[in-house]
Amino acid sequence: QQQVKQSPQSLIVQKGGISIINCAYENTAFDYFPWYQQFPGKGPALLIAIRPDVSEKKEGRFTISFNKSAKQFSLHIMDSQPGDSATYFCAASKNSGYSTLTFGKGTMLLVSP
Amino acid sequence: ETGVTQTPRHLVMGMTNKKSLKCEQHLGHNAMYWYKQSAKKPLELMFVYSLEERVENNSVPSRFSPECPNSSHLFLHLHTLQPEDSALYLCASSQEVGRTTNEKLFFGSGTQLSVL
Repeated sequence: QQQVKQSPQSLIVQKGGISIINCAYENTAFDYFPWYQQFPGKGPALLIAIRPDVSEKKEGRFTISFNKSAKQFSLHIMDSQPGDSATYFCAASKNSGYSTLTFGKGTMLLVSP
Repeated sequence: ETGVTQTPRHLVMGMTNKKSLKCEQHLGHNAMYWYKQSAKKPLELMFVYSLEERVENNSVPSRFSPECPNSSHLFLHLHTLQPEDSALYLCASSQEVGRTTNEKLFFGSGTQLSVL
């Protein structure tokens, strides 16, 4: 059973465009929703995260939108740049004293020049 | 760099070999993790060590054996692996404070394992 469903699997966006990646979760006990960014040959790195007490969080060009009732959250990358080309993973977890993140399958983003 | 170092970066082994993956974190964290990353699959949590005690073992086959001798080092001992075990194995660390989850994981660059 896949607890976090991510779409699309891959995405091509023109430079300057908006990249949107969506995730849906099933476990209502989840209370932490991060996005990780992974470049080839590197491990994932935390990009931005949100907790369900807010509906949106923005950090620079990256925004998470969160819809608790729909159990969905999404990553928006504004003014996408070629350097944003990477694989993006959404994840979710519940408070347990140590990390128990459940990851989505990932979205490979390519930003064309 | 993330402060989490994994060696080797690449490993090719036969099904009868025994090898070990090493992870070292320089961040002063008290929790360490092994993840398996396969193509087109979600990252799979394999093992969690919190304060040097194993707290999670997600139904991982016994041919994978973790070891955490101290809070800075984590090993994954491999023996009689199968070709389907070929994947990128990622180590991560985090700082846990009591029951409050500090979720930020710091990943190493991984060991790309090929089992022939």
